[in-house]
Amino acid sequence: DTGVSQNPRHKITKRGQNVTFRCDPISEHNRLYWYRQTLGQGPEFLTYFQNEAQLEKSRLLSDRFSAERPKGSFSTLEIQRTEQGDSAMYLCASSLEVGNEQFFGPGTRLTVL
Amino acid sequence: AQSVAQPEDQVNVAEGNPLTVKCTYSVSGNPYLFWYVQYPNRGLQFLLKYITGDNLVKGSYGFEAEFNKSQTSFHLKKPSALVSDSALYFCAVRALGFNKFYFGSGTKLNVKP
Repeated sequence: DTGVSQNPRHKITKRGQNVTFRCDPISEHNRLYWYRQTLGQGPEFLTYFQNEAQLEKSRLLSDRFSAERPKGSFSTLEIQRTEQGDSAMYLCASSLEVGNEQFFGPGTRLTVL
Repeated sequence: AQSVAQPEDQVNVAEGNPLTVKCTYSVSGNPYLFWYVQYPNRGLQFLLKYITGDNLVKGSYGFEAEFNKSQTSFHLKKPSALVSDSALYFCAVRALGFNKFYFGSGTKLNVKP
């Protein structure tokens, strides 16, 4: 257990539905990252927060994806109008400084039917 | 463009033999380099990192990695493999001044008794 928690651990939804995932980082970590990982691939960067500011977003993050970190603590990732191609493991990670190692949560596995 | 390549999908070694998992990278500027390990049904765990200084870095569980700037490589090594080292290994890179981390596609390490 790295100290980063993610909820839910699994989510099954129908195409077209909205889903929201939550990440609780290690409390003193001010950097927070979201990644997507599909089978046989490494984590793919989605977005990055420093405190409550979203400083970078991947071009992979379409208009259907939005992330927030309202008080610089927990973060949420929302996917609107889910598509089957959104099925993946969504990973959250946090770090104390941007050059430091990231601590990963267990991930939320999304299945879109 | 920044990228990471792990040329081997799978590495097989016998217990007690040395192991090497290869990683090459492409970044603009000085790289921050990381190795992570992923066990089945568990999140990614940090093994070691290179930021600056000695080209040989030592990490968790007896692993080490050598940074080679001329070959743009950061290969993971261990002198004597254990069956319990069997897992999925990911190399990651971040360039100084950038927030995004790039992960390789992973190498599955199989250590046989």
